[in-house]
Amino acid sequence: GAGVSQSPSNKVTEKGKDVELRCDPISGHTALYWYRQSLGQGLEFLIYFQGNSAPDKSGLPSDRFSAERTGGSVSTLTIQRTQQEDSAVYLCASSLVDSAEQFFGPGTRLTVL
Amino acid sequence: DQQVKQNSPSLSVQEGRISILNCDYTNSMFDYFLWYKKYPAEGPTFLISISSIKDKNEDGRFTVFLNKSAKHLSLHIVPSQPGDSAVYFCAATQGGSEKLVFGKGTKLTVNP
Repeated sequence: GAGVSQSPSNKVTEKGKDVELRCDPISGHTALYWYRQSLGQGLEFLIYFQGNSAPDKSGLPSDRFSAERTGGSVSTLTIQRTQQEDSAVYLCASSLVDSAEQFFGPGTRLTVL
Repeated sequence: DQQVKQNSPSLSVQEGRISILNCDYTNSMFDYFLWYKKYPAEGPTFLISISSIKDKNEDGRFTVFLNKSAKHLSLHIVPSQPGDSAVYFCAATQGGSEKLVFGKGTKLTVNP
C-alpha cells in the first residue's frame, strides 16, 4: 500500500534498554512527525521534520529521546535507557508541504517492563 | 496547559440520531482546525477540517461548526451509523504551520 508504515507494531522491552522505532512515510511527503499517545491521553507531539530544515525537537520529553530522518524519507525514533513511563503508542505521520492534513501510520505499541 | 480540550471522554448515541462532538481551544492564534477519527489498533485518519474564515464546513454526513468568539468547534454526524464508533480527535494549528495540537479525544459509540 501507499500509506505510512511503522515497525515494529509491538515492542516489549526491559527498563534501561534502548529501542528503535521505524517510520516509512508516504512517498513524496516532505513533512514527517512523531507523536505518542499514552493511556487515556491525546496525541503528544514529539518531533517534526520538514525537508532539509533543522527538525523541530520541541516536543521531545527528555534527552533520552532522539530521532533522525535519512535521505528525507525513512525516520527512526530512538529511546535510550527506557523507563516505564515511556510505555505508549508511538505514532508517525507524514504530509505534503504546506498541508495541515497529516496521514498517520498504525503506530508502534511500546511496553517497558 | 492544554490548548485544545475535548471535555467529554465518551458519547453514546442511537443509530440514525445525531452525534455532536465538542472541542474548545484557548489559543486565539489557531486558524485551522481538523477532526481525526481513530479505530482501535489503527492510526488516526483525517475526517474534515475548517478554516477560521468559515463558520461551517460540510462533507456528506459530517459537518463541522466553528464559533471563533467562543473558541469552540463541534462535529455533527447525522445520521449516525454503527461504523462511526471510534475515538474522535480535534486538532488545531496556526499560521500555516503543519504542527498540530490535539485534544484527548472523545470515544463515540453508536448503538444499533
